[in-house]
Amino acid sequence: DTAVSQTPKYLVTQMGNDKSIKCEQNLGHDTMYWYKQDSKKFLKIMFSYNNKELIINETVPNRFSPKSPDKAHLNLHINSLELGDSAVYFCASSRPRISSGGKDGELFFGEGSRLTVL
Amino acid sequence: ELKVEQNPLFLSMQEGKNYTIYCNYSTTSDRLYWYRQDPGKSLESLFVLLSNGAVKQEGRLMASLDTKARLSTLHITAAVHDLSATYFCAVLPREWTDKLIFGTGTRLQVFP
Repeated sequence: DTAVSQTPKYLVTQMGNDKSIKCEQNLGHDTMYWYKQDSKKFLKIMFSYNNKELIINETVPNRFSPKSPDKAHLNLHINSLELGDSAVYFCASSRPRISSGGKDGELFFGEGSRLTVL
Repeated sequence: ELKVEQNPLFLSMQEGKNYTIYCNYSTTSDRLYWYRQDPGKSLESLFVLLSNGAVKQEGRLMASLDTKARLSTLHITAAVHDLSATYFCAVLPREWTDKLIFGTGTRLQVFP
């Protein structure tokens, strides 16, 4: 069973369009994230949700709107796509920072969604 | 501004050789993570280092953490081709509970 799954895996679209990426995790984690990986492989956090509540919003343009219908799902909607939005978007989830097992804070990533804006 | 820098950015090494990747960070933290990413793939967790002096080993990889120096190392012993990938360190700043900050990544290529 896939722990963190994202759909679609690939998106190719024109500038100005709107697109969504969906993410689901079956690990029972309370916290979910969106990270953006650019062409130089640099990974930057965009959003973090804890139990459906927005915790981190990292100066991302308001064309990007995350939505968490429940703690197992975190979707990302992007309006008016621009060329610079082309990247790989990773969803991730994590255990609470303080937990047993010594692995608190560890992120579990989805397979990524490669967005290409033409 | 918080910085997490890795050194080197690119590493081409021969099979059988040893090498160390360095991860320096600019904030107070006692939690550091190492991830591996194969081309076109997701990130896979390698090590979780949760205290000063922590050392973890798995196969040919060994990671350590020195929180006073704000430095973590990933040591590769007797490299093999299968280790070719991009390696990321990531720091959890003490003042943030959920904001994992990734390093620049080190692209490792192991050749025969």
